[in-house]
Amino acid sequence: SQKIEQNSEALNIQEGKTATLTCNYTNYSPAYLQWYRQDPGRGPVFLLLIRENEKEKRKERLKVTFDTTLKQSLFHITASQPADSATYLCALDIGGSQGNLIFGKGTKLSVKP
Amino acid sequence: DTGVSQDPRHKITKRGQNVTFRCDPISEHNRLYWYRQTLGQGPEFLTYFQNEAQLEKSRLLSDRFSAERPKGSFSTLEIQRTEQGDSAMYLCASTTSGGRSGELFFGEGSRLTVL
Repeated sequence: SQKIEQNSEALNIQEGKTATLTCNYTNYSPAYLQWYRQDPGRGPVFLLLIRENEKEKRKERLKVTFDTTLKQSLFHITASQPADSATYLCALDIGGSQGNLIFGKGTKLSVKP
Repeated sequence: DTGVSQDPRHKITKRGQNVTFRCDPISEHNRLYWYRQTLGQGPEFLTYFQNEAQLEKSRLLSDRFSAERPKGSFSTLEIQRTEQGDSAMYLCASTTSGGRSGELFFGEGSRLTVL
């Protein structure tokens, strides 16, 4: 069965540093992958989508890479701020089943001032 | 447009009772999803609709769960004979169809507590 792993349940970093979150998957070849942000008690909010033929995508301080050989996506937040503290979810396209997307457990990022 | 709306935001019920959640998607979105999320886990797919047609249901969705989208607009998710294991956040999301890469727009969720 498809499996998604996000590298750690929690990541603590200092303000101004770059946060790097990892999403690994097995048993599938997704056409694209998405990243979402979720604050406590709120629904997830879409951040970025990267397709299988794209190596890298950027949006402001966010950068996502997608390595289909390693079956891995990296999500970077540069110049991190305390307001970036949240849980970040990766979501994998699995084609025509399960409504197309399955989610990882998320990584809770805490940015300390 | 105010985004995806879910009601109620919180529901506390006793085991064995029935509960119903409502989702109003973004108006031009024809695809609607229901997910369940427990503490420390990612959203878990339950079912989705393309207009009024329910196209897929998760194997995790027992017979006690039923979802409808009668006119292709709002949707309801009903849980019959609730169990304590049903306690979770129930998330609704919508998107436009036409390609598999649509970002999902989530509501704020309906949190269910079964006592």
